Amino acid sequence: AQSVTQLGSHVSVSEGALVLLRCNYSSSVPPYLFWYVQYPNQGLQLLLKYTSAATLVKGINGFEAEFKKSETSFHLTKPSAHMSDAAEYFCAVSDVPQRGSARQLTFGSGTQLTVLP
Amino acid sequence: EAQVTQNPRYLITVTGKKLTVTCSQNMNHEYMSWYRQDPGLGLRQIYYSMNVEVTDKGDVPEGYKVSRKEKRNFPLILESPSPNQTSLYFCASSFNQNQPQHFGDGTRLSIL
Repeated sequence: AQSVTQLGSHVSVSEGALVLLRCNYSSSVPPYLFWYVQYPNQGLQLLLKYTSAATLVKGINGFEAEFKKSETSFHLTKPSAHMSDAAEYFCAVSDVPQRGSARQLTFGSGTQLTVLP
Repeated sequence: EAQVTQNPRYLITVTGKKLTVTCSQNMNHEYMSWYRQDPGLGLRQIYYSMNVEVTDKGDVPEGYKVSRKEKRNFPLILESPSPNQTSLYFCASSFNQNQPQHFGDGTRLSIL
């Protein structure tokens, strides 16, 4: 079964500093990978996705993530944090299904990003 | 506007009283799914539906039912709610299982 590990349930950065949110996955085959963001009292919004094309994926709001197969990682980065980036971020993996079963999306436990002035 | 609409947004109820959380999408999506979100556990899939009349269990289906009689609607039914079902619930949809999902704004259920 696939699993997703997000290292650090809480990350704090200063405004203007680099944002790095870590995600590692376990999957027997190259999966689809996603980062979602959740603002307070809202649903999840897609930040970016990897679906076996370019390994460096650019998303919305200046975020990007790099798929590293050798490390089974898909870390999320942003060069310069903004106050509006404060939110909870979820990494998710979608595995290629076995015969007869549907692709299933598995989420990590989330990382709360705080941006300090 | 493309959206996934859940109702109610908030509900406090008592153990054993049947309830239904509705979910509707206006994007003609085939794939729909229900998740529950609990602190420290991320989102866990309850049930999903590949298309009309096609539903299947996710990771945590116990105590829940779903139906998919129409493409746009995917209600979540708690026949006999219990306190351990107190959670934040999200409905999501996508064109198919390979596409990113669009999420509703969530339904916060409290079962006393």
